[in-house]
Order: sequence, then structure tokens, then C-alpha cells
Amino acid sequence: ETGVTQSPTHLIKTRGQQVTLRCSSQSGHNTVSWYQQALGQGPQFIFQYYREEENGRGNFPPRFSGLQFPNYSSELNVNALELDDSALYLCASSLDGGGGETQYFGPGTRLLVL
Amino acid sequence: RKEVEQDPGPFNVPEGATVAFNCTYSNSASQSFFWYRQDCRKEPKLLMSVYSSGNEDGRFTAQLNRASQYISLLIRDSKLSDSATYLCVVKALGRLYFGRGTQLTVWP
Repeated sequence: ETGVTQSPTHLIKTRGQQVTLRCSSQSGHNTVSWYQQALGQGPQFIFQYYREEENGRGNFPPRFSGLQFPNYSSELNVNALELDDSALYLCASSLDGGGGETQYFGPGTRLLVL
Repeated sequence: RKEVEQDPGPFNVPEGATVAFNCTYSNSASQSFFWYRQDCRKEPKLLMSVYSSGNEDGRFTAQLNRASQYISLLIRDSKLSDSATYLCVVKALGRLYFGRGTQLTVWP
């Protein structure tokens, strides 16, 4: 096991609602990256948090937001949910901004938007 | 154009077969290269890093050609437990870029 945990494991929402997903990083890691994996696709980078600051963002709209807490756990918030937001959301824990270090993935949160 | 292109397969092979996966990447500034394995409805897990000199881990051999921007994974003597999706991954500027994955099924 990687020591990275995510909650909840599954979630069902309706269009227009808001959702918050949580991730606890591996002990000693200060960087959390979030990815969205649609069915049949590889994970797509959403953003990364390093020492409580956003440290890079992928091609996702502003309704995808996040934050990182002093203990380096992290949240992903998605507002105004759309059907296409249905996916597996993965967080990955690493050290020092992710540069040169392996990223360890949590088990993911499966989000279904109806 | 996607950052990482992979043949999605599926590949269906008998136990004991040798199977090869390939991928190409578009960002010449890419710094690190990996193969991840993802089992059905699970998270991706690092299988191995890929180095320019080529590297081997038991039955698995990975190769990188920076000039051609090409990465490969060879699995020898396939086992039933090798059945999974294999993701080609490139790291650039601290973020990972994934291919869509190649599905492998090993049958008895």
C-alpha cells in the first residue's frame, strides 16, 4: 500500500451540484497532484499543490479548484457539476514539487454525475 | 495532438508468450519516463522507470529512445497475473502525462 488515502470512495451527484473530494498524502510528502481519469482514458493532470500553494495547473476550467492544508492533505472542489465530470479522481503524493520523485497514487474517488 | 500516444490494444496472449508495448511522446523537454500498471477499477501503480540505457526488472524490459521520442516495454514469459492495463507515462515540469493505456489479457 502507498499510504495515500482518498475519501469518499464513491459519490453520486446531479448536474449543477458541488462536490469536495479529499486526499491524505503519504507521511513525509509535501506535494499532492490531482488527476481525472475518464472511462477508457489515461489520467489527466488537473493541478498540483506544493507546500500549500498551487504549483501548476492542467487544462481544466476554474470550477475545478483545490487547496492544501498545513498537514499536506488536500481537497479538490468541483462546482456546477456536468455530466462529463463523471470519472475516477486520483490524487498522487510525492516530495518536493514532484520533480524527479515517484508519485504514489491513492485508490481514487469514483464520481458519477446524473 | 496528445502528449503521449499508445496503442490501446487489446492484446490477448497465452501464458508464456512475449508481448511488447510501444508509445511515443511529443514533448522533447520530457524529463522522466515510466510504465505504470493499472488493474481493473484500481489506481495506477508504478511498474518501472525507463532509462536511456534500457533497464530490466525480472521478466520486464523497458527501453527509451530520446531521439525518436519512443518508449517500449517487453514482457517475457507472460503470467496470468500480468493481465492489466499498462500506462506509458512521461514526466515534464513535475507533472505526469499518461497515455490512454494498453490492455493486456493473458489466457491459460
